[in-house]
Amino acid sequence: EVQLVESGGGLVQPGRSLRLSCAASGFTFDDYAMHWVRQAPGKGLEWVSGISWNSGSIGYADSVKGRFTISRDNAKNSLYLQMNSLRAEDTALYYCAKDMELSYWGQGTLVTVSS
Amino acid sequence: EIVMTQSPATLSVSPGERATLSCRASQSVSSNLAWYQQKPGQAPRLLIYGASTRATGIPARFSGSGSGTEFTLTISSLQSEDFAVYYCQQYNNWPPRVTFGGGTKVEIK
Repeated sequence: EVQLVESGGGLVQPGRSLRLSCAASGFTFDDYAMHWVRQAPGKGLEWVSGISWNSGSIGYADSVKGRFTISRDNAKNSLYLQMNSLRAEDTALYYCAKDMELSYWGQGTLVTVSS
Repeated sequence: EIVMTQSPATLSVSPGERATLSCRASQSVSSNLAWYQQKPGQAPRLLIYGASTRATGIPARFSGSGSGTEFTLTISSLQSEDFAVYYCQQYNNWPPRVTFGGGTKVEIK
């Protein structure tokens, strides 16, 4: 059974940093691209970042480019999102999702940026 | 950036009726289009990928069609559990760059 479990969210002040993690199991992690998608309270889905199976190809939404860094550790079956210079508008539930079709999603980790 | 536009924003349908949701891309995405269902308090669930292929475990009443820039999700006979928000998403870009439509809320009429 595919499982994706996000962690690392919390309350953080504007301008500070946070690192999210996603632990994957139930599939061959290093065969698939992975993504981060977020959803602000009461809003729609927003793609944040994606990474190819070997980290050779990475993409970011314009809204986070230069502030967020996606990475993965295939030996640990884990995906990460380093978020720097956080803003109030980054407040959202952050999901990790598997492959280009986003076939499986975790339950999300909540990030709240507020002073 | 490819912009995805969904219509209508809200669709009021009676149980047992047919629902037709539309999604338009600002440029061709070939058949690299997926549909998701999201219920309150839950993560999105993949329904359709490749524009028309049902994901594992998705009932046959859900069907997708289209290619290029125009896509449709049809729910042939709405069940109570189908009232939710539906999103389309394109994944035509590489390096990875995905965009979602704004969503269609299917509500009980």
